[in-house]
Amino acid sequence: EDQVTQSPEALRLQEGESSSLNCSYTVSGLRGLFWYRQDPGKGPEFLFTLYSAGEEKEKERLKATLTKKESFLHITAPKPEDSATYLCAVKGGSEKLVFGKGTKLTVNP
Amino acid sequence: GAVVSQHPSRVICKSGTSVKIECRSLDFQATTMFWYRQFPKKSLMLMATSNEGSKATYEQGVEKDKFLINHASLTLSTLTVTSAHPEDSSFYICSASAVLDYSNQPQHFGDGTRLSIL
Repeated sequence: EDQVTQSPEALRLQEGESSSLNCSYTVSGLRGLFWYRQDPGKGPEFLFTLYSAGEEKEKERLKATLTKKESFLHITAPKPEDSATYLCAVKGGSEKLVFGKGTKLTVNP
Repeated sequence: GAVVSQHPSRVICKSGTSVKIECRSLDFQATTMFWYRQFPKKSLMLMATSNEGSKATYEQGVEKDKFLINHASLTLSTLTVTSAHPEDSSFYICSASAVLDYSNQPQHFGDGTRLSIL
């Protein structure tokens, strides 16, 4: 059974304080690992797709990396507007997206 | 691009009422749409996969007679919660994939529907 575990559950940072979010996964035949951002009362907003170990993607202050067992979402010099819940999901042989519970990020000014 | 619109955003209704939620892909054709349910501090839980022109595939434990799904066109899928009860109260979210082979493509999500049954 495909599984995704995200840590930490919650993270508080000061503006400008860089950090990383972790997504550990077990999947049968990885077809893709996806990162989403979700704001309160909204649907998830697509950020990145990673397909193979060693791959990296960047968007503004966010950088996602992938190994065979985990993915990291690095946040460099975060701003208050980066506050959100970040969701990680994997797609394996079952073709279904399996989500983690998310990491709630709060960036204080 | 890849905008998914979900309507309504919030519904409050009495127990026993049936509620219909619409999910539209605005700028692309979606051969496959997905319906999720999200509980506070929990993962998004896939309820069913909706394919245009065919019957939906429901996940184990999801009652197909309770949650009716129709995907009549390449841009519209609907979820009807029939005879809703308080335990059906939740945040329902749809998503869509743009291509026939959706395997490696990201799903794009609507903004969800907060359903509250009194």
